[in-house]
Amino acid sequence: AQTVTQSQPEMSVQEAETVTLSCTYDTSENNYYLFWYKQPPSRQMILVIRQEAYKQQNATENRFSVNFQKAAKSFSLKISDSQLGDTAMYFCAFMKQGSYNTDKLIFGTGTRLQVFP
Amino acid sequence: DVKVTQSSRYLVKRTGEKVFLECVQDMDHENMFWYRQDPGLGLRLIYFSYDVKMKEKGDIPEGYSVSREKKERFSLILESASTNQTSMYLCASRFGGWGREGRYEQYFGPGTRLTVT
Repeated sequence: AQTVTQSQPEMSVQEAETVTLSCTYDTSENNYYLFWYKQPPSRQMILVIRQEAYKQQNATENRFSVNFQKAAKSFSLKISDSQLGDTAMYFCAFMKQGSYNTDKLIFGTGTRLQVFP
Repeated sequence: DVKVTQSSRYLVKRTGEKVFLECVQDMDHENMFWYRQDPGLGLRLIYFSYDVKMKEKGDIPEGYSVSREKKERFSLILESASTNQTSMYLCASRFGGWGREGRYEQYFGPGTRLTVT
């Protein structure tokens, strides 16, 4: 069974600084996807960034980038130039690419990020 | 814009009551999911459905049932609510299958915070 571990329950960062959120996972699969989701206070969860396991290049989306280390099973999220609106709970998630229609996201326990002015 | 809506943001029920949580999506997604979110535990999958009238148990199905009579609607039912079912419930949907880039993104509703007294 796959597991996802986020070892940092809470983090804080000053506005305009850079912060890195950690995520490790355990799987015997070779084809899978990794995701970071963001859940702002009292707002809907949204996808921040995704990484396909077969791609060596790290994914980037504006100020968000990942450091994907497949052999180490590590998938960290770097937020550059942090903004107050980045304050949220961040979830790392794993999904294997397998049976049609039945693949499910497996979530970590989340990291609560607070951005201070 | 994909929209996933849930029937209530906040709900208070008494122990033993039958509770219905409704979820509707407007993007013709095949897959729909129900999660519960608890502090320190992340998101745990209760049930999911990959087609009308189809359902699969997730990781914590005990005490819950689901119904999917129409493609756009997925209902979570607490047959006899108990205090340990006090939680945040999140619905999500996504396209089924693989192939086109981006079809695996999962979209979430705003959540229903259920309190059972």
